[in-house]
Amino acid sequence: GAGVSQSPSNKVTEKGKDVELRCDPISGHTALYWYRQSLGQGLEFLIYFQGNSAPDKSGLPSDRFSAERTGGSVSTLTIQRTQQEDSAVYLCASSSLWAGTQYFGPGTRLTVL
Amino acid sequence: QKEVEQDPGPLSVPEGAIVSLNCTYSNSAFQYFMWYRQYSRKGPELLMYTYSSGNKEDGRFTAQVDKSSKYISLFIRDSQPSDSATYLCAMSGDSGGSNYKLTFGKGTLLTVNP
Repeated sequence: GAGVSQSPSNKVTEKGKDVELRCDPISGHTALYWYRQSLGQGLEFLIYFQGNSAPDKSGLPSDRFSAERTGGSVSTLTIQRTQQEDSAVYLCASSSLWAGTQYFGPGTRLTVL
Repeated sequence: QKEVEQDPGPLSVPEGAIVSLNCTYSNSAFQYFMWYRQYSRKGPELLMYTYSSGNKEDGRFTAQVDKSSKYISLFIRDSQPSDSATYLCAMSGDSGGSNYKLTFGKGTLLTVNP
């Protein structure tokens, strides 16, 4: 079946603009995660959604970052007033049961000029 | 000190070699240990998962966890050029039900030369 998909695959934007990144999880997966992978850094947890529970937003680096998940499926990560340090690959993952079996999408490579 | 330390390499080996990849960690609450493989411009894919201490084998891959030393390893036997990728260790704990929150190492870049 289809894996996790993300769009766009690449995004170039100017400093100060807002961007939206989209994630389509594997059908039937109740848990959805966003991570950020910066050059030379490991994957950094951003936010976690599980069913109808309140999301765990503890990894969001600032209030310019927000995410929502509509209908328990598609998720959008929004970065407002982008800064150059936001340049990174943003990865989405989903799982059906437990954290260890997270399936990752290909990522969105964000470049802020 | 970062929670998870991993030598970034790069590591270059000839085809057929045995590869050893390692991570150390500081958080004694970690109970779940994983290895992911990430090809260039792709998302990570789960290779191995281990709960608590011990060994786990899957084909050419063996994962080892030594909780007393806070040290985990991934061994690749008979390495192939197709194994060339970045290998990420990841772990999570039992603290308050947040097992989903994975903490990753920075990854080790491996090249297997034909």
